[in-house]
Amino acid sequence: GAGVSQSPSNKVTEKGKDVELRCDPISGHTALYWYRQSLGQGLEFLIYFQGNSAPDKSGLPSDRFSAERTGGSVSTLTIQRTQQEDSAVYLCASSPRGLAGWANTGELFFGEGSRLTVL
Amino acid sequence: AQKVTQAQTEISVVEKEDVTLDCVYETRDTTYYLFWYKQPPSGELVFLIRRNSFDEQNEISGRYSWNFQKSTSSFNFTITASQVVDSAVYFCALSGNNDMRFGAGTRLTVKP
Repeated sequence: GAGVSQSPSNKVTEKGKDVELRCDPISGHTALYWYRQSLGQGLEFLIYFQGNSAPDKSGLPSDRFSAERTGGSVSTLTIQRTQQEDSAVYLCASSPRGLAGWANTGELFFGEGSRLTVL
Repeated sequence: AQKVTQAQTEISVVEKEDVTLDCVYETRDTTYYLFWYKQPPSGELVFLIRRNSFDEQNEISGRYSWNFQKSTSSFNFTITASQVVDSAVYFCALSGNNDMRFGAGTRLTVKP
């Protein structure tokens, strides 16, 4: 498809299990972002990638969270030993313009999100 | 650190009323971009507008208008003659050197 694709769309897991969430950005988009949206809450920034590198990991809530991006394309967000407070919609977005000296000027194109429920 | 504040958590209006959504931002960057996104009940975020920090001209697009005031670090969004289809959560966002930060969002409900 032409848009940002995320999988799974829904994931129910038991507390303590690990989960992987996948994001397939729009082809050619150099910047990729992960956000978390808890029920009724705003968008919490988690991490962003410029190409395969992640200049800013400050938004990751704990060391149980990690993310990688390979080939400048697909990204995986991994949550280890999930907790109930990890339940949220995890949104991925990509942008056609990565950092070019000073600013990301492009709007973000969002996927539909992965809804994670930790029982 | 960059920060975006949307003080209005929820707003409810009756159709055809005008409504303004407030957005205040903080940044140390001299060059930055401001955005508004709409998240309808379907959930997918939709880009509405982008303004750069050097352009304080107000913008109008149909029933939508945006008022950017650098002196007060505000980027407010007005919907004129609101319609039921405008019901959504609206997010203001700030992009600087490293990332894009969103406000907490304002849930707008337009009643018929």
